Amino acid sequence: GQSLEQPSEVTAVEGAIVQINCTYQTSGFYGLSWYQQHDGGAPTFLSYNALDGLEETGRFSSFLSRSDSYGYLLLQELQMKDSASYFCAVYSGGYQKVTFGTGTKLQVIP
Amino acid sequence: EPEVTQTPSHQVTQMGQEVILRCVPISNHLYFYWYRQILGQKVEFLVSFYNNEISEKSEIFDDQFSVERPDGSNFTLKIRSTKLEDSAMYFCASSKDREGSYEQYFGPGTRLTVT
Repeated sequence: GQSLEQPSEVTAVEGAIVQINCTYQTSGFYGLSWYQQHDGGAPTFLSYNALDGLEETGRFSSFLSRSDSYGYLLLQELQMKDSASYFCAVYSGGYQKVTFGTGTKLQVIP
Repeated sequence: EPEVTQTPSHQVTQMGQEVILRCVPISNHLYFYWYRQILGQKVEFLVSFYNNEISEKSEIFDDQFSVERPDGSNFTLKIRSTKLEDSAMYFCASSKDREGSYEQYFGPGTRLTVT
């Protein structure tokens, strides 16, 4: 089966940098994505890694190590609007099966 | 900007009743998905759909669930005989093509309450 582990909660100060980790166990791994979800809202795609290394998209970066079955999302220059839940998700079955992690609730404080 | 839409936003039904949740994916997308999220919990994959067939389904997607693309725009999830534990937010999502399937666009969700 598939399983993904994330910290349940993280608190960080506005303007700071925060890293959210994700470890996974899966078969037929294709890649790792990150989604943001505000309370009451729908998940929104942030980034994707298929290969080892760092992918950067503006203030957000995502890292993957396939050999360690590990990835992280890095948020820089935190803003209050970044307060949300962040889910990692792994793809298998040719991207047709998605398993989401348990989610990390990020609280940004002034 | 194109978006996935879902109706209704909130559905209340009695246990044992059938419900149909409706979704209109982004028009040029080829892959469609249903997920559910019980309040405060993680997003759970239910099923993926491509070329009028189910591509993958999870162990949650048992015989009481079915999906259909009845016309060129709608994508539906039917729950035949609802149970209390089916109460959740149901999200529809779509992606453009196989290579871009990692980037899924989610609709706003339908909150299903089974009483």
